[in-house]
Amino acid sequence: KAGVTQTPRYLIKTRGQQVTLSCSPISGHRSVSWYQQTPGQGLQFLFEYFSETQRNKGNFPGRFSGRQFSNSRSEMNVSTLELGDSALYLCASSLEAEVLTGELFFGEGSRLTVL
Amino acid sequence: AQSVAQPEDQVNVAEGNPLTVKCTYSVSGNPYLFWYVQYPNRGLQFLLKYITGDNLVKGSYGFEAEFNKSQTSFHLKKPSALVSDSALYFCAVRDLSGYSTLTFGKGTMLLVSP
Repeated sequence: KAGVTQTPRYLIKTRGQQVTLSCSPISGHRSVSWYQQTPGQGLQFLFEYFSETQRNKGNFPGRFSGRQFSNSRSEMNVSTLELGDSALYLCASSLEAEVLTGELFFGEGSRLTVL
Repeated sequence: AQSVAQPEDQVNVAEGNPLTVKCTYSVSGNPYLFWYVQYPNRGLQFLLKYITGDNLVKGSYGFEAEFNKSQTSFHLKKPSALVSDSALYFCAVRDLSGYSTLTFGKGTMLLVSP
């Protein structure tokens, strides 16, 4: 069974540009969450999607957005990039039946560097 | 609001010695508690969870954790550390009262020396 796949794994952008990151969850998982990981702040929750609906959103500016498609694949977009957006962006999926009590399955992340 | 504190940025232990990685939490209701591990350049991997029942929870790779409600703690332990246990460890909490997201601590780097 394939794990959570995130693309691209690494990317470099300049300030002001925008970026789109993609996440394909484990087959059968309809819940997808996104986290930003930085050395200073640790893991911070961005958003969670289930069946194409955003169910929760973290405390990030509107430049950060996401969506989920009917096949449960998810994308997140960051517009007008700032230096502070440099981070590892992690996607995680889970079964809906276990979204509260079960574990999240994480991808290896997309490492974004903003110059 | 829920929160997690991991008071140690780094824990150093010699191989074969017992290890403890500390975690305290704050929630308004009853907690679901989790430990995850992250190896270099990898995503997080689930280690164990506490939902209800026995306060001592056993997980992957010989790790265990003890839920202490009075001290609001969920410390991760292993009787005998391995060099391969060296990694970044995250504690996480979810509040049972209503639907909430999973909140992670800032992580503790565990370094096991040979």
